[in-house]
Amino acid sequence: KAGVTQTPRYLIKTRGQQVTLSCSPISGHRSVSWYQQTPGQGLQFLFEYFSETQRNKGNFPGRFSGRQFSNSRSEMNVSTLELGDSALYLCASSLGRGPVSMNTEAFFGQGTRLTVV
Amino acid sequence: KNEVEQSPQNLTAQEGEFITINCSYSVGISALHWLQQHPGGGIVSLFMLSSGKKKHGRLIATINIQEKHSSLHITASHPRDSAVYICAAGLQGAQKLVFGQGTRLTINP
Repeated sequence: KAGVTQTPRYLIKTRGQQVTLSCSPISGHRSVSWYQQTPGQGLQFLFEYFSETQRNKGNFPGRFSGRQFSNSRSEMNVSTLELGDSALYLCASSLGRGPVSMNTEAFFGQGTRLTVV
Repeated sequence: KNEVEQSPQNLTAQEGEFITINCSYSVGISALHWLQQHPGGGIVSLFMLSSGKKKHGRLIATINIQEKHSSLHITASHPRDSAVYICAAGLQGAQKLVFGQGTRLTINP
């Protein structure tokens, strides 16, 4: 069974540009959540989707957005990139009917390392 | 103060030693997750628990709901256990995971 797949693995963008990251969950998983990891802030929750609906959103500016498709694949978009957006972006999928936190094991992808120059 | 605190931040030990990593949280949770992150970034879920104790191979995780505290133990540690270990709390009502800052574990041969 394939794991969670994130593409691309590495990305270099210029300030002001926008970027789209993709996450394909494990087959059958309908819940996908996104996280940002930086050396200073550690792992922080971005948002979570279940059945194409955003269930919860973290404390990030509106430049960060996402969506989920009918096949449960998810994308996140960051517009008007800033240097501080350089981070490892991780997604996780779970089998449960609810959010990842509600007693459901999370399966993480390898992440996309975004560098903004 | 962070809602989830881990200790120690860094831990270096010799192969074979018994390892304990601690996680304290200050809010009500629905579940506590222990994660392992190797260099390169990929995260593996080790345990998810809401009460008691779980064991998988040389790894043991415990949680005390009353004391709002969880521990991850590694018995007979091995250099391949070197990684960053992260605890994450699933907050009741908030429906999201809040992460500790991680413990960087280095096991020397």
